[in-house]
Amino acid sequence: SQELEQSPQSLIVQEGKNLTINCTSSKTLYGLYWYKQKYGEGLIFLMMLQKGGEEKSHEKITAKLDEKKQQSSLHITASQPSHAGIYLCGADMNAGAQGAQKLVFGQGTRLTINP
Amino acid sequence: DTGVSQDPRHKITKRGQNVTFRCDPISEHNRLYWYRQTLGQGPEFLTYFQNEAQLEKSRLLSDRFSAERPKGSFSTLEIQRTEQGDSAMYLCASSSRDARYFGPGTRLLVL
Repeated sequence: SQELEQSPQSLIVQEGKNLTINCTSSKTLYGLYWYKQKYGEGLIFLMMLQKGGEEKSHEKITAKLDEKKQQSSLHITASQPSHAGIYLCGADMNAGAQGAQKLVFGQGTRLTINP
Repeated sequence: DTGVSQDPRHKITKRGQNVTFRCDPISEHNRLYWYRQTLGQGPEFLTYFQNEAQLEKSRLLSDRFSAERPKGSFSTLEIQRTEQGDSAMYLCASSSRDARYFGPGTRLLVL
């Protein structure tokens, strides 16, 4: 079983609609990273969350980490075609030096934006 | 652009051949990671360097795989006697305290 579960696995939304992607673990997440990936390309860093209850925003994308640090959500407001791609969450699963740990990834959420 | 770079971007090889990939991290980052990604899956950790020291290796990294970072700057990942199951995207990343940046990847196809 996956240490990090993402839901949904795929999502199709109308342009202009809001959407949320979830990333859940049964273990404490010591650093939670969100990435976007276009097919066949590398991962583009979006945001990193570390503290329980932390929330960060960049343009129309907001990411949150819950108080227990076991679940994160990525919310896109007023989606645009440029938001289409695969969204991946990755996490440090072990306490230790920040940024020094390997990341464990979810399986990704494929987002399609219909005009 | 001073992001993470990888070379080559694509590699097609025949089964049994050796291949080597290169990663140039962001210059001020002393941590460097290699990951492998297959279609429809998230990246899987292979190995990690802090400066020139290889600190962790995944069980996925069989004895046909070797990685080096000789001067603590660029890194190479070599696969010997390639197998069809090695076909994947090989991703390199480097990190600062607050972010982990990935390169564009090297897509390997073993025929």
